[in-house]
Amino acid sequence: DAGVIQSPRHEVTEMGQEVTLRCKPISGHNSLFWYRQTMMRGLELLIYFNNNVPIDDSGMPEDRFSAKMPNASFSTLKIQPSEPRDSAVYFCASSLGNQPQHFGDGTRLSIL
Amino acid sequence: AQTVTQSQPEMSVQEAETVTLSCTYDTSESDYYLFWYKQPPSRQMILVIRQEAYKQQNATENRFSVNFQKAAKSFSLKISDSQLGDAAMYFCALRGERGAQKLVFGQGTRLTINP
Repeated sequence: DAGVIQSPRHEVTEMGQEVTLRCKPISGHNSLFWYRQTMMRGLELLIYFNNNVPIDDSGMPEDRFSAKMPNASFSTLKIQPSEPRDSAVYFCASSLGNQPQHFGDGTRLSIL
Repeated sequence: AQTVTQSQPEMSVQEAETVTLSCTYDTSESDYYLFWYKQPPSRQMILVIRQEAYKQQNATENRFSVNFQKAAKSFSLKISDSQLGDAAMYFCALRGERGAQKLVFGQGTRLTINP
């Protein structure tokens, strides 16, 4: 079975540029989560969707961050404009009901 | 608010020996789920084991087992017969039964296996 698929695996861009991270959840899963991992703050939830509807976006740091889930098989996390402090590993995870979350391999984002 | 605390930033163990990683948590919910995830250098997040709070029996998965003490809000992971491939960061995580489905993670414990 295909797991959660994230792209790109690595992204290096200059400050001020727009960054778009992509995620394809496991087919049939109805919840999708975006997490960010940094040395300082560890793993923290940014936003999660249930049946394509955003449920909790309280972890989104500021208006520069936005996330969409236009259908059950695709989600994006966008940062515009990007800043060096956004450098981190961004994980997407999906789950069905009360089953455990399955994580993608993450996107390592570096903002110069 | 839900919190998870891992008080051991680093642990090491000899190959084939047993090691226990500690985790404490806080939640106001009576029903919840606890997890241990493993993150090797490849940075994948791999589910190791899961415990439902309503179950008194401790979960086991091959060489991995937990000691779940609900009253003490403690959830430790025991790795038996440690193998070199067990070297990784280990994260304890909590998820509520109702409401927020998000995982709240501890700070992680880096486990080193000495050959």
